[in-house]
Amino acid sequence: EAQVTQNPRYLITVTGKKLTVTCSQNMNHEYMSWYRQDPGLGLRQIYYSMNVEVTDKGDVPEGYKVSRKEKRNFPLILESPSPNQTSLYFCASKQNRGLNQPQHFGDGTRLSIL
Amino acid sequence: GENVEQHPSTLSVQEGDSAVIKCTYSDSASNYFPWYKQELGKRPQLIIDIRSNVGEKKDQRIAVTLNKTAKHFSLHITETQPEDSAVYFCAASGNTDKLIFGTGTRLQVFP
Repeated sequence: EAQVTQNPRYLITVTGKKLTVTCSQNMNHEYMSWYRQDPGLGLRQIYYSMNVEVTDKGDVPEGYKVSRKEKRNFPLILESPSPNQTSLYFCASKQNRGLNQPQHFGDGTRLSIL
Repeated sequence: GENVEQHPSTLSVQEGDSAVIKCTYSDSASNYFPWYKQELGKRPQLIIDIRSNVGEKKDQRIAVTLNKTAKHFSLHITETQPEDSAVYFCAASGNTDKLIFGTGTRLQVFP
């Protein structure tokens, strides 16, 4: 089954404790992206990647890192999480940059930073 | 910068009535306009999309219209059902592949 898998689905942690949210897709998609969703603000892009070893900032990259060492994986790293990063996070992927293909979303990761 | 405005933020309709959600975009280079439906606690799921070379697209009870001159596009849901209740997001992207989302519309369909 074609899917985007995020882990963990839920995480409660404390300020400053490094965490990683994993994202994996099995559709051989080149493009992957991370979004955060906050009430009244919709989905905002954090980082995106157009292929292996190619990443770029989205609209709200501060406090986040990403890497794309393999095509299928695109982890989101919070080196020193802060309470303002409490949010619902979605990973998404799509095929073929530039062809306006729809993005497929994972099930989301709800992060609470205390 | 690029921006997508979405209205209304909440919409309540009686079952069987129609619902219309409107979005405007700022980047004239935008050429792809998807609509996502997000049920409570779930992922956004694509329900319909339209590209700039088309003015209207229909899929059963759902239709999307695009007015490139005015830079706005709309989602129309006819014969609404309680299972249509969800949050709907419009989005726009251009040649950079960056998808800009609207802030969402919470649709409630009352039986």
